[in-house]
Amino acid sequence: DVKVTQSSRYLVKRTGEKVFLECVQDMDHENMFWYRQDPGLGLRLIYFSYDVKMKEKGDIPEGYSVSREKKERFSLILESASTNQTSMYLCASRGGFPHEQFFGPGTRLTVL
Amino acid sequence: DQQVKQNSPSLSVQEGRISILNCDYTNSMFDYFLWYKKYPAEGPTFLISISSIKDKNEDGRFTVFLNKSAKHLSLHIVPSQPGDSAVYFCAASETWGAQKLVFGQGTRLTINP
Repeated sequence: DVKVTQSSRYLVKRTGEKVFLECVQDMDHENMFWYRQDPGLGLRLIYFSYDVKMKEKGDIPEGYSVSREKKERFSLILESASTNQTSMYLCASRGGFPHEQFFGPGTRLTVL
Repeated sequence: DQQVKQNSPSLSVQEGRISILNCDYTNSMFDYFLWYKKYPAEGPTFLISISSIKDKNEDGRFTVFLNKSAKHLSLHIVPSQPGDSAVYFCAASETWGAQKLVFGQGTRLTINP
């Protein structure tokens, strides 16, 4: 079974702090994704990566950056956290099957 | 601009009956559609998919119907079971193998015993 793990289930940070969210997958997938889930808005794509050191902006990249130094690990970085970044963050990976993405359990981030 | 819309935020169905979840899309370039199921405190899990060359796909109790002319798809669950209570997201993609999925807002399904 594909396993996607995220470094924290719950995180509380203060406005202005730098925040790192880490995601690791164990299936040698090329493609990895970061989403945020907000009530009434569904899942919105922040960034994705189709190879090591490669990244592309999703629909809402503002205020975020990403890093992919190793194939199995994809990090989401909030350079200076703001209260409107309080959300559920979901990481996903995708391999050979065209569209099925496998999701991690999510990190609920609260920015005070 | 919401390209994939699930207009019912919630749905309540009696156990054993049919659950029908609906999804509309606006982008005529979408040609692959998926349904995901999400329990609280867990990530979404893939449920079933359909490509635009088909109008129906079945997997056990789950059937997805696609009406391309109406830009509408639906997920039928029959018979509904208490374990089906979850949030269901539909998602769409423009081309086979494309990287990006566009998700709807989700519908919370509650199955009542």
